[in-house]
Amino acid sequence: DTGVSQDPRHKITKRGQNVTFRCDPISEHNRLYWYRQTLGQGPEFLTYFQNEAQLEKSRLLSDRFSAERPKGSFSTLEIQRTEQGDSAMYLCASSLNGGEQFFGPGTRLTVL
Amino acid sequence: QQQVKQSPQSLIVQKGGISIINCAYENTAFDYFPWYQQFPGKGPALLIAIRPDVSEKKEGRFTISFNKSAKQFSLHIMDSQPGDSATYFCAASIEGTDKLIFGTGTRLQVFP
Repeated sequence: DTGVSQDPRHKITKRGQNVTFRCDPISEHNRLYWYRQTLGQGPEFLTYFQNEAQLEKSRLLSDRFSAERPKGSFSTLEIQRTEQGDSAMYLCASSLNGGEQFFGPGTRLTVL
Repeated sequence: QQQVKQSPQSLIVQKGGISIINCAYENTAFDYFPWYQQFPGKGPALLIAIRPDVSEKKEGRFTISFNKSAKQFSLHIMDSQPGDSATYFCAASIEGTDKLIFGTGTRLQVFP
């Protein structure tokens, strides 16, 4: 399969724990995006990378959130000290030079 | 000014009918207007997109109508099919940025 993949697909954690999600973009895509989607809402932009450089971060990305793309390929999104309000679907997308964004299936996070 | 307002929230259409979803925006710097389709448990997938230099774009049964002066655009699904039942999101982005601003979504149900 050559699409965007995300792991895990589901994550249940207790409040205060740290979680990390992984995204593998389409192999030739140089740009990678993270979005967050809550129930009944559209995706909200969090951040994006061109190769390994993080070019833009939303104000939604508080200090507890950090994203990396160390080798310009896969990316990780870490949430520290999770809160119930972090419960959402975290979507990753990739594109070639800012063209069409292809989305992965998402990681659904539930914070108890 | 960064919002994209979408209506209706839900839509029920009979098979063979026309589904119409509307979006409105305020920011005249938006220059790319895609529509995404999302099935349960999946990430959004690009359906069709338009730029402000044209007033209409058609791909198969899907048509975007764009009214630059009114700052509105809409998706028309002709001959709607049960397989079209999904959530549809309009979005917009500003020239020179990759950040997509999504509407709140329309849940479409097509009954046979």
